[in-house]
Amino acid sequence: NAGVTQTPKFQVLKTGQSMTLQCAQDMNHEYMSWYRQDPGMGLRLIHYSVGAGITDQGEVPNGYNVSRSTTEDFPLRLLSAAPSQTSVYFCASRPRGTGGSPLHFGNGTRLTVT
Amino acid sequence: EDQVTQSPEALRLQEGESSSLNCSYTVSGLRGLFWYRQDPGKGPEFLFTLYSAGEEKEKERLKATLTKKESFLHITAPKPEDSATYLCAVQGSTGTASKLTFGTGTRLQVTL
Repeated sequence: NAGVTQTPKFQVLKTGQSMTLQCAQDMNHEYMSWYRQDPGMGLRLIHYSVGAGITDQGEVPNGYNVSRSTTEDFPLRLLSAAPSQTSVYFCASRPRGTGGSPLHFGNGTRLTVT
Repeated sequence: EDQVTQSPEALRLQEGESSSLNCSYTVSGLRGLFWYRQDPGKGPEFLFTLYSAGEEKEKERLKATLTKKESFLHITAPKPEDSATYLCAVQGSTGTASKLTFGTGTRLQVTL
């Protein structure tokens, strides 16, 4: 099992450009989520999905879009990149069910917006 | 609102020098407290889940404990390969479904 795979590892964008961060998992996990990690701040939830066709907003959703057409994939779209979106982005998944199951994280995408 | 505070921010130990990392939390209805290890350039790697006060879990040189207000990650006789950032997170029973609230982590460096 590859676990959670994120691509690309690094990306540089100019302000106003759009892009999609890819996330795929091969563990048949129903729950998938996107976090961003910034210096001096804890990981913050952007969007999450409890299954194919179902998505919801997290703590910091503005400027980001998601969709979930399959169990395996959960892409994150930046509609019009801003310097404030410079961050490291992590995708994470876990099995569905009651709380308490740990999240499995990918190795992140480091995004710089100039 | 759930909150997690980790201390210290950074800790430098010599090999074999035992110590503890602290995670203080406030949460409405604890579903789980999680410890993760994060190496530079990598995603967080799951270590432990604790569910109720008094619970303890161990893995090699690490032992996690939980009270109603805080959790400790005890590191016994650390080795250089234990150097990493250790993250604490809580999951409560209210608010955004399944949301984890993370602390900012403790950067641990173990030297020879």
